[in-house]
Amino acid sequence: DTGVSQNPRHKITKRGQNVTFRCDPISEHNRLYWYRQTLGQGPEFLTYFQNEAQLEKSRLLSDRFSAERPKGSFSTLEIQRTEQGDSAMYLCASSPDQGRNTIYFGEGSWLTVV
Amino acid sequence: DAKTTQPNSMESNEEEPVHLPCNHSTISGTDYIHWYRQLPSQGPEYVIHGLTSNVNNRMASLAIAEDRKSSTLILHRATLRDAAVYYCTRGSARQLTFGSGTQLTVLP
Repeated sequence: DTGVSQNPRHKITKRGQNVTFRCDPISEHNRLYWYRQTLGQGPEFLTYFQNEAQLEKSRLLSDRFSAERPKGSFSTLEIQRTEQGDSAMYLCASSPDQGRNTIYFGEGSWLTVV
Repeated sequence: DAKTTQPNSMESNEEEPVHLPCNHSTISGTDYIHWYRQLPSQGPEYVIHGLTSNVNNRMASLAIAEDRKSSTLILHRATLRDAAVYYCTRGSARQLTFGSGTQLTVLP
């Protein structure tokens, strides 16, 4: 079990640039989630995929954010025209269909917008 | 407010039991209670979850109040490696709602 893999682990970007994060879930996990976490706060839900279908989106996911999971395996989270307020850790998690109440998080991707 | 409420910080001595409380007074009947913990610069790690009954696993025990408005995570013998931020969350796995967590300090 290799766990949920995220990359890059750290990204520093200038305001206005686009960034993309990749998440590789645990093999055979059909469900995939993105959360965002700022310093001193708990994670906040962004979006949820069941296979390739994006089934839930938070109001936090503004139109500058887009998430995809084209083949139901890995997922990407893109942020366009980054703002300083986007600085946070972006967490990916996955879970199997069985045992639906436990999700497994990756180590996160830190974004700093300067 | 759908978030849970936890004390900001707690301390425990090594090898003593720790009881971490959580208030979730607005929980719905179908929401599970989940606990995760997080070390610095790492993603949250699953600890335990439950719906109505008390639960035990190799990491901890979860005691759920009869009215489900509160719960307590019990670490039976705290170790230095248990020092982390502990989050009590509610909801289905599709959308967990985290609070600000409790920073647990374990004193040697």
